[in-house]
Amino acid sequence: AQKITQTQPGMFVQEKEAVTLDCTYDTSDQSYGLFWYKQPSSGEMIFLIYQGSYDEQNATEGRYSLNFQKARKSANLVISASQLGDSAMYFCAMREGRDSWGKFQFGAGTQVVVTP
Amino acid sequence: DGGITQSPKYLFRKEGQNVTLSCEQNLNHDAMYWYRQDPGQGLRLIYYSQIVNDFQKGDIAEGYSVSREKKESFPLTVTSAQKNPTAFYLCASEGRADTEAFFGQGTRLTVV
Repeated sequence: AQKITQTQPGMFVQEKEAVTLDCTYDTSDQSYGLFWYKQPSSGEMIFLIYQGSYDEQNATEGRYSLNFQKARKSANLVISASQLGDSAMYFCAMREGRDSWGKFQFGAGTQVVVTP
Repeated sequence: DGGITQSPKYLFRKEGQNVTLSCEQNLNHDAMYWYRQDPGQGLRLIYYSQIVNDFQKGDIAEGYSVSREKKESFPLTVTSAQKNPTAFYLCASEGRADTEAFFGQGTRLTVV
């Protein structure tokens, strides 16, 4: 069964606007971590933001924030003030477990294109 | 500089040949992972290792093999049994209780 679901295969956003990328996850573990990565056309994976399952506050990193709704099992990424350089593939990922590493699994990704 | 290095960046292989992709990290990380990515797709887990001399199959391990003889190294062999090996391969590592997995630059494998 798919553990990470990203329902938006692609989206266009205008420069300087905010965009929300959806991510839902499925786990029975109480302890887990949620991640967002950006992959530009070069192929490298760039870490953006992390949210632990016990973190009470939503994570923020510069223009990135994670809207964590634990009861709904969603971890949406919000990019504020989009820039042309934000055009890339974005992946949501989850690692289950706390003291040992479970599988680090990824969603199918959302392709974002920022237009002038 | 600390980081994770994959080599080579591009690799061509003839059908029927085994090929080994290198992944080295100097971050002193215990966990290492191999992923496969097909065009326009997400990352699928091939194998992962939590400690030296131990590794587990991921979701698509058939046709692949790994070893973890040293903490720093986690090579992936794509065997001739892998029916569709052309893909982008990414290696990652993670420290205990870390909040980020570090990725290599990837190896693009093409079977000719």
